[in-house]
Amino acid sequence: DQQVKQNSPSLSVQEGRISILNCDYTNSMFDYFLWYKKYPAEGPTFLISISSIKDKNEDGRFTVFLNKSAKHLSLHIVPSQPGDSAVYFCAASEAGNTGKLIFGQGTTLQVKP
Amino acid sequence: GAVVSQHPSRVICKSGTSVKIECRSLDFQATTMFWYRQFPKQSLMLMATSNEGSKATYEQGVEKDKFLINHASLTLSTLTVTSAHPEDSSFYICSASLRAGGADTQYFGPGTRLTVL
Repeated sequence: DQQVKQNSPSLSVQEGRISILNCDYTNSMFDYFLWYKKYPAEGPTFLISISSIKDKNEDGRFTVFLNKSAKHLSLHIVPSQPGDSAVYFCAASEAGNTGKLIFGQGTTLQVKP
Repeated sequence: GAVVSQHPSRVICKSGTSVKIECRSLDFQATTMFWYRQFPKQSLMLMATSNEGSKATYEQGVEKDKFLINHASLTLSTLTVTSAHPEDSSFYICSASLRAGGADTQYFGPGTRLTVL
């Protein structure tokens, strides 16, 4: 039972353009969502998060949007840079569940110069 | 801030031996730490949740006698792979949870590549 899904295994965009990574979830009890970036053979790096009481959170080039009714969140990267090329994981946690995260399968982003 | 280290970064051992991996939160105290395993081209698989001063909570299918977890302090958790076999070869990643603004964010270590010969 995949509670967090990233249906696009890969995404390729041109440098300077917008990258949009999508994530869907099924558990309505999730109340906190996070995006991580990961390079091969390294641990994930925290990028940005959003609480379920918000629908948007912005940090520099990164913006996360949350649509609770659709159980969907997305990460926008503008403008995309070649250094953004990595695997992006969305994750969700449920209130009172010790902070345990449920991860999506990941989307590999390639930003072409 | 929120830096997590792991040691060693890479280890090669013979089948049957035990290997200990350390996870440290360097600039914050973490009541809860997590241990993950990642297989090639797959997502992170949570193995166990480690709470300071208490027994770890293991996910279904993870052998607690094989993967011993000790959370001795608010900044250190260790994972010991006992009697390692080649199928235990994997990338092991820890994370430490930091509470801020009413939410818990996990910060990850750089990972440990274990190869069992």
